[in-house]
Amino acid sequence: QQQVKQSPQSLIVQKGGISIINCAYENTAFDYFPWYQQFPGKGPALLIAIRPDVSEKKEGRFTISFNKSAKQFSLHIMDSQPGDSATYFCAPGNFNKFYFGSGTKLNVKP
Amino acid sequence: NAGVTQTPKFQVLKTGQSMTLQCAQDMNHNSMYWYRQDPGMGLRLIYYSASEGTTDKGEVPNGYNVSRLNKREFSLRLESAAPSQTSVYFCASGGVKETQYFGPGTRLLVL
Repeated sequence: QQQVKQSPQSLIVQKGGISIINCAYENTAFDYFPWYQQFPGKGPALLIAIRPDVSEKKEGRFTISFNKSAKQFSLHIMDSQPGDSATYFCAPGNFNKFYFGSGTKLNVKP
Repeated sequence: NAGVTQTPKFQVLKTGQSMTLQCAQDMNHNSMYWYRQDPGMGLRLIYYSASEGTTDKGEVPNGYNVSRLNKREFSLRLESAAPSQTSVYFCASGGVKETQYFGPGTRLLVL
């Protein structure tokens, strides 16, 4: 069974602060490493994703850092805003199969 | 362009009843997926279909069956519902770049 471990379970950050969420995986065959964002009552939506041939990808305030040797990748949210309050999931995988972490509930305080 | 649609949005079943959850996508994607989401456990893959005419088991397929009716539609059937199947069910579709697009979900309560 593939294992994906996501931490922390919950996170409280002040507006303007940095939010960091981590994801550790076991399967070295994974070749796609996305982060999804989910608001209450909605389905998840892709936020940002990375391939294993690069160590970092930045899109606006969101950055993925990827450490292939440690089998870990993380999501950094710079200048966190109350509108970023949501649940975040990592979902690494390959060949049409993706394995979701248990989620991190982020609360950005105004 | 509706994306991924799911019906029904909410359903209450009694133990032993059967039902089919419907999913359709209008993005011409080859791959479609069914997940269940339970508190504290993220999303777990039930079944997926890499292309029209093919289906494969995911992590938690027991108690479910699927049908890939055509490229647009992928249904999930519970033959004999159990309280352990109380969950939120999400359908997703994906194109060649692996991004999955999720529907709004079906909330199922089995009494």
